[in-house]
Amino acid sequence: GAVVSQHPSWVICKSGTSVKIECRSLDFQATTMFWYRQFPKQSLMLMATSNEGSKATYEQGVEKDKFLINHASLTLSTLTVTSAHPEDSSFYICSVRSLRGLKEQYFGPGTRLTVT
Amino acid sequence: QKEVEQNSGPLSVPEGAIASLNCTYSDRGSQSFFWYRQYSGKSPELIMFIYSNGDKEDGRFTAQLNKASQYVSLLIRDSQPSDSATYLCAVTATTDSWGKLQFGAGTQVVVTP
Repeated sequence: GAVVSQHPSWVICKSGTSVKIECRSLDFQATTMFWYRQFPKQSLMLMATSNEGSKATYEQGVEKDKFLINHASLTLSTLTVTSAHPEDSSFYICSVRSLRGLKEQYFGPGTRLTVT
Repeated sequence: QKEVEQNSGPLSVPEGAIASLNCTYSDRGSQSFFWYRQYSGKSPELIMFIYSNGDKEDGRFTAQLNKASQYVSLLIRDSQPSDSATYLCAVTATTDSWGKLQFGAGTQVVVTP
């Protein structure tokens, strides 16, 4: 498999502030990473595909100016939630795509964001 | 119609019994299929993948794939309380070149002692 870390594991912020979440691929270079969001008792929702050295591709309905994604290196992608609001409170999870042909994804441990 | 469908459950299984989880998908071109396990409050963990028709066994887990019927299943033998989790079925999206996966909503499994 792959080892993926996320930082922070949980964060509480005030409404209107910005929060940055880091996703690191620890044991291989990941050209493609994915960002998901999961609300309680709901399924995973893909937010965007993060590609090293290029702009992220956002899913329909996800505001790219609110959820800024930067994939500046082969091991690090960041998600910044700008001007956070209570409705942004969620579990944010990144994943890295295996270099093998099956394209399986390995998930980070997730970041729980609470906006007060 | 959802692209990947699973029964939401909960699926209640006595300890030691076989848990059978089903998943259907709509994209006939999908080539790879995955089962993830997600404990409450945790992120998904890959437990099985399969890409050829038939069965694939790994320990107590068996994945079964039937591309003609667009159906993939997961069997958990000798179910243990530690198997209580939500199981997510995922398939590759043929329209995407970046390796995007389409996930089902998940089936909650509860193993009762």
